[in-house]
Amino acid sequence: QLVLTQSPSASASLGASVKLTCTLGTGHSNYAVAWHQQQSQKGPRYLLKINSDGSHSKGDGIPDRFSGSTSGAERYLTISSLQSEDEADYYCQTWAPGIRVFGGGTKLTVL
Amino acid sequence: EVQLVESGGGLVQPGGSLRLSCAASGFTFSSHSMNWVRQAPGKGLEWISYISSSSWTIYYADSVKGRLTISRDNAKNSLYLQMNSLRDEDTAVYYCTRDLCSGGTCSGISDYWGQGTLVTVSS
Repeated sequence: QLVLTQSPSASASLGASVKLTCTLGTGHSNYAVAWHQQQSQKGPRYLLKINSDGSHSKGDGIPDRFSGSTSGAERYLTISSLQSEDEADYYCQTWAPGIRVFGGGTKLTVL
Repeated sequence: EVQLVESGGGLVQPGGSLRLSCAASGFTFSSHSMNWVRQAPGKGLEWISYISSSSWTIYYADSVKGRLTISRDNAKNSLYLQMNSLRDEDTAVYYCTRDLCSGGTCSGISDYWGQGTLVTVSS
C-alpha cells in the first residue's frame, strides 16, 4: 500500500533552518515526492518535487531557501533562513497509476 | 499566470446533490490532467478524483466512488465535479489541481491549486 508518513509537528527559530521528513512506505522507496505548503486559511501551494536520486525541481517563484533531498525511503524538505511566513502546514505527496496520496502533514511553528 | 477558480460550493442536505466547477486560465488546459482534492475542517488533504487531459482515463478514491463524477470541457477550459448522495463526511473545502506536465508527459504531482470552495453537508 502506498503511504506517506510525516511527523505531526516541528518547530524552529526565526532565521534558523529546519528539515522536514516524509517517509515512503515499504516497497515504494524509489518514488518521487512533492512538497506543498499551506498557510493558515489559504489553499496549498506547490513547493518542489524530489526524485529518488535526490534531484529536485521547484515550483514557480519558490525561493532558494526551500530545497529538497533524499535518503533511502525518506524525502526531506529543508527551509533555511526561516521567516515568520514559513509558519504553515507542509504536506508531501506521491502517486501511482490510479491513485494520488498525501502525507498527514507537518505543522511548522516558527519561534 | 496560471489560475484555477472553483465555484459551486454551499450548504446542502444529506442525500442532496451539488455540482462544482473549476475555471482554468493562463495555460493550455487541454494538455494537462486534473484532479479534485478535498480538506475536511481541521484535517489533512485527501485526493478524491483524477481525469486525464482527453477525459479518456478517470480515477476515484474509494471514499467517493459511485457518488461523485468528474468531467471536463476542454473547449470551455473547465473542470467539474458532480456530487450526489452527499453525506456529512463530505463536508470539506474542495480544491481543483493541475498535474505537473512536461514534454507531453504528466506526473501525479499537483503543481497548481485553486483557492477552494466550501461544501457543507448538514440538515
